Amino acid sequence: KNQVEQSPQSLIILEGKNCTLQCNYTVSPFSNLRWYKQDTGRGPVSLTIMTFSENTKSNGRYTATLDADTKQSSLHITASQLSDSASYICVVSEASGTYKYIFGTGTRLKVLA
Amino acid sequence: DSGVTQTPKHLITATGQRVTLRCSPRSGDLSVYWYQQSLDQGLQFLIQYYNGEERAKGNILERFSAQQFPDLHSELNLSSLELGDSALYFCASSVAAQGAGELFFGEGSRLTVL
Repeated sequence: KNQVEQSPQSLIILEGKNCTLQCNYTVSPFSNLRWYKQDTGRGPVSLTIMTFSENTKSNGRYTATLDADTKQSSLHITASQLSDSASYICVVSEASGTYKYIFGTGTRLKVLA
Repeated sequence: DSGVTQTPKHLITATGQRVTLRCSPRSGDLSVYWYQQSLDQGLQFLIQYYNGEERAKGNILERFSAQQFPDLHSELNLSSLELGDSALYFCASSVAAQGAGELFFGEGSRLTVL
């Protein structure tokens, strides 16, 4: 069964610190993987998208990595800010005929001053 | 601004009632997806339309229905509402029929059933 699992479920860090969020997937065949940021009560916003051949992609202080062999991805946030407090959702697209989006349940990050 | 417009932003109604949520996709996007997000839960896929036709179905209840009109806007109809239907309902659009393209989300419609 195609699944996307994220860890940790929630995370609290101090402003200025770095953190890494994990995404493991069993989706096959794999098309691409996206990380979204969702502020509380708002719609998700795309941070990065990676295909099979891409290992790393950055968007400002956000850096996503992908290991297609182990089916793992991580999102690293550098020098966290209060505005980084949000849920981060990993979404994997399967490359079968339907090309479904498979959503993880997200990691809720809280950055404290 | 994602370019996806959802109305209403907030809706309060009573059990047993029926509501309609509306979504206008980004200009040029042919696919519309509907998702439900209950409190502190992940996004649950409900249904997808592409160019006016139902493309994929997720965990959508029989009390819920949707359609996409010729101008590509979509409506999600929720009937015989129950307390458990209280949630954020998101619409997303993409240019492609299949899940290879970028998904753009609206700001959601918050439904409260009392």
